[in-house]
Amino acid sequence: DAKTTQPNSMESNEEEPVHLPCNHSTISGTDYIHWYRQLPSQGPEYVIHGLTSNVNNRMASLAIAEDRKSSTLILHRATLRDAAVYYCILSGSGYSTLTFGKGTMLLVSP
Amino acid sequence: NAGVMQNPRHLVRRRGQEARLRCSPMKGHSHVYWYRQLPEEGLKFMVYLQKENIIDESGMPKERFSAEFPKEGPSILRIQQVVRGDSAAYFCASSPTKGVQETQYFGPGTRLLVL
Repeated sequence: DAKTTQPNSMESNEEEPVHLPCNHSTISGTDYIHWYRQLPSQGPEYVIHGLTSNVNNRMASLAIAEDRKSSTLILHRATLRDAAVYYCILSGSGYSTLTFGKGTMLLVSP
Repeated sequence: NAGVMQNPRHLVRRRGQEARLRCSPMKGHSHVYWYRQLPEEGLKFMVYLQKENIIDESGMPKERFSAEFPKEGPSILRIQQVVRGDSAAYFCASSPTKGVQETQYFGPGTRLLVL
């Protein structure tokens, strides 16, 4: 599986936008970019995914670079409940097992 | 539609005992994945099953661990003769189909503590 690189941690203030970066320079043409998050003491939760075009849903937006070597998860207005570890994952094999890295721990201050 | 259910949520075993972890996928989902999260570490894939078949068990330890997903009933992850190093959170996820674009829905996990 292609590897992703994320910052270990980021901080944000409540109600401010948050941009979580992910580098995936060895991404292949068939790899989807998935984002999951894990709140403390809970199972991972799907956030968003995309292939080439930018994607929006009720939780977040995903901005994918034109060369697909990087992407950014955008939380438009962070809340305390968004404090979690965010994982950027590529999947490109025949089925969808997920390879989790260390992710980015997002801290949100009131 | 109920989410993925796992039970028990917490399990305590003494060294040498067996641990059985159950996972009921979301309704309509026939693909189940098990992951393990050791203390202070990331999640690691263990095994991927479809009804009555093991598709990929490349992440599962070769000894003491087994998994099944019968035609009827939940998926079971079984750990025989548990050791302290098996203490971890075990998460199961399900999806309706396979595919690299498919979303996985995770359960709340079973936290296993081996004394």
